[in-house]
Amino acid sequence: SQQGEEDPQALSIQEGENATMNCSYKTSINNLQWYRQNSGRGLVHLILIRSNEREKHSGRLRVTLDTSKKSSSLLITASRAADTASYFCATEMTTDSWGKLQFGAGTQVVVTP
Amino acid sequence: EPEVTQTPSHQVTQMGQEVILRCVPISNHLYFYWYRQILGQKVEFLVSFYNNEISEKSEIFDDQFSVERPDGSNFTLKIRSTKLEDSAMYFCASRGGLGGKNIQYFGAGTRLSVL
Repeated sequence: SQQGEEDPQALSIQEGENATMNCSYKTSINNLQWYRQNSGRGLVHLILIRSNEREKHSGRLRVTLDTSKKSSSLLITASRAADTASYFCATEMTTDSWGKLQFGAGTQVVVTP
Repeated sequence: EPEVTQTPSHQVTQMGQEVILRCVPISNHLYFYWYRQILGQKVEFLVSFYNNEISEKSEIFDDQFSVERPDGSNFTLKIRSTKLEDSAMYFCASRGGLGGKNIQYFGAGTRLSVL
């Protein structure tokens, strides 16, 4: 079964606007992480939120976690053209002893100047 | 900032050939992983490695795949007889410990093209 699912699949916004994307998952987690991937490139870690945390901030990023709804959101404020990328949520499940991550399908964000 | 290094960045091979993808994890990390991403699809877990042995593997990681940490720095993924469907981006990752703040750091990936 698929663990992480993001929506929307694609998001197109103007520079300066906020971008919000959501991630839902199915099973209990230790933490949820967000990664960014520029086209054809590697995965860059953005932020980790633990299961006992509800909100975290890092610069222009804000992540929330609702374990009762098994969902998370990533907000990018005041977006820039350089934020154009795919964003993935990844979960580390409580049943997993070895720390593997399960990724969602990603949200492709395009920020136009 | 320390980083995970992968070589080559792009590997082209003929179907049936063996390939070895190389990774140099962050030096004091203990847990190592391979993932793959078929074009346009999600990143999928292949295998985790700890204390010089496989700790977990996915259904994708069949007998054609193997991993090795031949020395103190390299971590390799071998595909014995490549198939067309092995074409993908392969990512290596490492982490210092489990749980808490120990995030996985990913390399830039090796794009494998099987012709």
